[in-house]
Amino acid sequence: EVQLVESGGGLVQPGGSLRLSCAASGFTFSSFWMHWVRQAPGKGLVWVSRINSDGSSTTYADSVKGRFTISRDNAKNTLYLQMNSLRAEDTAVYYCARKLDPMDSWGQGTLVSVSS
Amino acid sequence: SYVLTQPPSVSVAPGKTARITCGGNNIGSKSIHWYQQKPGQAPVLVIYHDSDRPSGIPERLSGSNSGNTATLTISRVEAGDEGDYYCQVWDTSSDPPYVFGSGTKVTVL
Repeated sequence: EVQLVESGGGLVQPGGSLRLSCAASGFTFSSFWMHWVRQAPGKGLVWVSRINSDGSSTTYADSVKGRFTISRDNAKNTLYLQMNSLRAEDTAVYYCARKLDPMDSWGQGTLVSVSS
Repeated sequence: SYVLTQPPSVSVAPGKTARITCGGNNIGSKSIHWYQQKPGQAPVLVIYHDSDRPSGIPERLSGSNSGNTATLTISRVEAGDEGDYYCQVWDTSSDPPYVFGSGTKVTVL
């Protein structure tokens, strides 16, 4: 069974940093592109970033470009999102999702709150 | 960037048919996916590549895509179908390359 488990969310002050993790199991993690998608409270889904299977290619939404970094450790079956210079508008549940297209499996999400 | 337009809400009586639209410029030329999200839960892929169903998704859910509108149809609606439904496209010529519709809340009366 495919499982994706996010962690690392929490409350952080504006300008602060957080690193999210997504632990994968039940499939060959190193064979799949992976994504981060976020959802602000009461709002819709917004794609944030993606990374290819070996980590050599990454893409970002303009809203996070230069502040967020996606990476992966295939030996640890884990996806990461390093978030720097956080803003109030980054407050959201962050989901990791599997596969280039469509996103066929999702984690349960981790909440990031940016507030002073 | 490419824009997908969905109605905010759709209400339907149990046993009836719900149709959720997703509008976009020449959307029929693109491959559309649909996700269901129940309150407090993660999204679940219910239709991919316009009309294919992942394993475990009931045949009551179907999809179509033509012209400027893609449609998710839920037949014989049940109380368990309540939730938010999002359409999504991967457009390699768009920035961002992955776009979600704004979501449609389905209410079972």
